[in-house]
Amino acid sequence: GAGVSQSPSNKVTEKGKDVELRCDPISGHTALYWYRQRLGQGLEFLIYFQGNSAPDKSGLPSDRFSAERTGESVSTLTIQRTQQEDSAVYLCASSAGTAPQETQYFGPGTRLLVL
Amino acid sequence: AQSVSQHNHHVILSEAASLELGCNYSYGGTVNLFWYVQYPGQHLQLLLKYFSGDPLVKGIKGFEAEFIKSKFSFNLRKPSVQWSDTAEYFCAVNALGYGNNRLAFGKGNQVVVIP
Repeated sequence: GAGVSQSPSNKVTEKGKDVELRCDPISGHTALYWYRQRLGQGLEFLIYFQGNSAPDKSGLPSDRFSAERTGESVSTLTIQRTQQEDSAVYLCASSAGTAPQETQYFGPGTRLLVL
Repeated sequence: AQSVSQHNHHVILSEAASLELGCNYSYGGTVNLFWYVQYPGQHLQLLLKYFSGDPLVKGIKGFEAEFIKSKFSFNLRKPSVQWSDTAEYFCAVNALGYGNNRLAFGKGNQVVVIP
């Protein structure tokens, strides 16, 4: 079936603007993760959704970052008042269940550049 | 917090050479360990994972990794690389009881195989 999809694939914005990134997980996957990869760095966890449970937001770097997920479908990550240090590739992943050994399947990412 | 170390961030080798990429993590409890690979222009995809049982794990494309608990290591190996193994390789750790299945990633190894 279809994999994880993300949109847009690239986004260029001006400092201070808000941006919204979208993730469509694999159908039926209950868990959804957002990660960020800054240049030369590994992936950095941002937020985790599992079914109808309260999301784990502990990785969000500031209150300018927020995310929502409707049920077990689409998720949006919003960055308000973007800063240059927000420039990164934002990756979404989904997995089928709650077991920690479940494979996370990644999307292609959204490359964000803040000028 | 968990941390994952990968050394030798850039590796260049010739076809048929052997490859070993080191991965060390800092967490004393039970862990699940993963190697992901990102080929040029493609998504991150799972190469192999360990969560229990035989500490020598075999993955796709002839890769294997060995979990050595006493050394907190999960090194990736391939006896004879091909040009198509040119990619970025990421080690990731999930620590049971910590952080809702989030993965902590190393900074990655950029591997270039010369034909």
